Amino acid sequence: GAGVSQSPSNKVTEKGKDVELRCDPISGHTALYWYRQRLGQGLEFLIYFQGNSAPDKSGLPSDRFSAERTGESVSTLTIQRTQQEDSAVYLCASSLSLEDYEQYFGPGTRLTVT
Amino acid sequence: GEDVEQSLFLSVREGDSSVINCTYTDSSSTYLYWYKQEPGAGLQLLTYIFSNMDMKQDQRLTVLLNKKDKHLSLRIADTQTGDSAIYFCAEVNGQNFVFGPGTRLSVLP
Repeated sequence: GAGVSQSPSNKVTEKGKDVELRCDPISGHTALYWYRQRLGQGLEFLIYFQGNSAPDKSGLPSDRFSAERTGESVSTLTIQRTQQEDSAVYLCASSLSLEDYEQYFGPGTRLTVT
Repeated sequence: GEDVEQSLFLSVREGDSSVINCTYTDSSSTYLYWYKQEPGAGLQLLTYIFSNMDMKQDQRLTVLLNKKDKHLSLRIADTQTGDSAIYFCAEVNGQNFVFGPGTRLSVLP
């Protein structure tokens, strides 16, 4: 079946603009995760959803970042007033449930803030 | 806080074994993972090990866990050019995933 998809694959935006990144998890996966990967660095965990609930938002880098999820499907990560340090690849992953640790990753969205 | 460390680069000759090392700090981690990232692709889960195990073997992959030293290693036997990628170690406790910076494995002919 289809894997995790993300859109757009690439996004170039001007500093100060808002961006919205989308993730479509694997159908039936109740858990969804967002990560950030800066150039030359490891993955940084941002937030996870169980269904449409995100119990812990403390991983989000600042209050310019927000995420939501509709039911057990699409999730969007929104970055307001983008800054150059937001430039990174944003990866989404999903798993069957929070108890199932096998996460399937999407290809990522490469965000460049100029 | 939690921290996962890995050496950033490793080069091996085709056919040799590769050993990628990782150290972590959270002694309460329940699972430890190895992910592979190829250029332009998402992360692929290679294998994982429960914290109460010390070894796991899966075909060409062998994972060794030294819980006392908080040291995890991934051995790839008979390394092939298709194994060239970045390998990430990750620890997890509950829902908190912490990834290392990744080790770039280059396989030389």
